[in-house]
Amino acid sequence: QVELVESGGDLVKPGGSLRLSCAVSGFTFSDHFMSWIRQSPGKGLEWVSYISDDSRYTAYADSVKGRFTISRDNGKNSLYLQMHSLSAEDSATYYCARVGESGAVAELDYWGQGTLVTVSS
Amino acid sequence: SYVLTQAPSVSVAPGQTARISCGGDNIGGKSVHWYQQKPGQAPVLAVYDDNDRPLGIPERFSGSNSGNTATLTISRIEAGDEADYYCQVWDDSTDHPVFGRGTRLTVL
Repeated sequence: QVELVESGGDLVKPGGSLRLSCAVSGFTFSDHFMSWIRQSPGKGLEWVSYISDDSRYTAYADSVKGRFTISRDNGKNSLYLQMHSLSAEDSATYYCARVGESGAVAELDYWGQGTLVTVSS
Repeated sequence: SYVLTQAPSVSVAPGQTARISCGGDNIGGKSVHWYQQKPGQAPVLAVYDDNDRPLGIPERFSGSNSGNTATLTISRIEAGDEADYYCQVWDDSTDHPVFGRGTRLTVL
């Protein structure tokens, strides 16, 4: 079965950096775009970034552009999110999600359980 | 950028039908996806491409999309349907996905 497991969330000080990982199994990772979505406590879902199946294309929400970098290693079935210059507004649960068959515009058909990032001094 | 509007909350009695709306400019021209998020859990895809159901989602869940409103309909409401529901579309102007702010479904 399809499984996505995020890791790397932690308590970090403002201005700090963090790298999130998402290990996937149960499907051909290299066939799918992947996305990161975050959810601040008590708030709604916010799309953060996506990456194409072959890593040629990436995109970011304006709120993280220039600070976050998405990447993937198809050989390791893993997705990553490198985050720099973190602020309190970045505090959230970060979910990785598989994008459906139709590429970037498709639905997010499988989600991980999320990893919590807390930015606080 | 494209804005999706959802009512903050909807309340329905067990056995009745819940209709959760998602408004957007000519949203009928887009594919709408719906996610269910139960308390303390990750979101789950409930309906995609306006009215398709992933494997494992009950037939009680259906969707429609026309004009400026998309609707998720849940019939024969059960206590286990209590959750937050989010609509999502692709924003052609930014080449990004966008989510609505979510609707909390309360089963009375």
